[in-house]
Amino acid sequence: DADVTQTPRNRITKTGKRIMLECSQTKGHDRMYWYRQDPGLGLRLIYYSFDVKDINKGEISDGYSVSRQAQAKFSLSLESAIPNQTALYFCATKGTGYDYTFGSGTRLTVV
Amino acid sequence: QKEVEQDPGPLSVPEGAIVSLNCTYSNSAFQYFMWYRQYSRKGPELLMYTYSSGNKEDGRFTAQVDKSSKYISLFIRDSQPSDSATYLCAMGGANFGNEKLTFGTGTRLTIIP
Repeated sequence: DADVTQTPRNRITKTGKRIMLECSQTKGHDRMYWYRQDPGLGLRLIYYSFDVKDINKGEISDGYSVSRQAQAKFSLSLESAIPNQTALYFCATKGTGYDYTFGSGTRLTVV
Repeated sequence: QKEVEQDPGPLSVPEGAIVSLNCTYSNSAFQYFMWYRQYSRKGPELLMYTYSSGNKEDGRFTAQVDKSSKYISLFIRDSQPSDSATYLCAMGGANFGNEKLTFGTGTRLTIIP
């Protein structure tokens, strides 16, 4: 099994719909992150969590919310999806260094 | 101006060539420098990790950091088709426990057999 598992791998949704992306990890790390990747813009941080009770906004959190259900689970929600949220979304976890482990990503299309 | 600048490419080279990938940065607080490799439809994976200035070698890969010029490089020797991927540089400060990485936009590399 992968160290970081994201579901779904692909999703097409309509404007205005609520959608949740899920992430689970088996690394045993406390720190978890949600990034989005867009061509020409690279990876941008949406939210991050240092433990179950510590959740922080990243550089582009507007329009997104997160939930840390357990040490191993960190989900990202789009409350009302809009087309410019079409992107590749990555969940990541890391230990005490800079050893990030990324999931395989969710390709989200908002039509 | 972005904190980290990376030429997006694409870059195509013949198999066996030496590849040079580069990033520049503006934040003097960066002390940790990483290169990630990302295959199509996959998440980034850590390739090289260096601290402060100097060189680090791992097989066919060499990471070079010049803090005085705020410039980092990744060299790939004897390039192989399996090296075809997008390469992202990433940087962080001294408080790596609680800081976030700043990524470059990535350079797409294709090795032509």
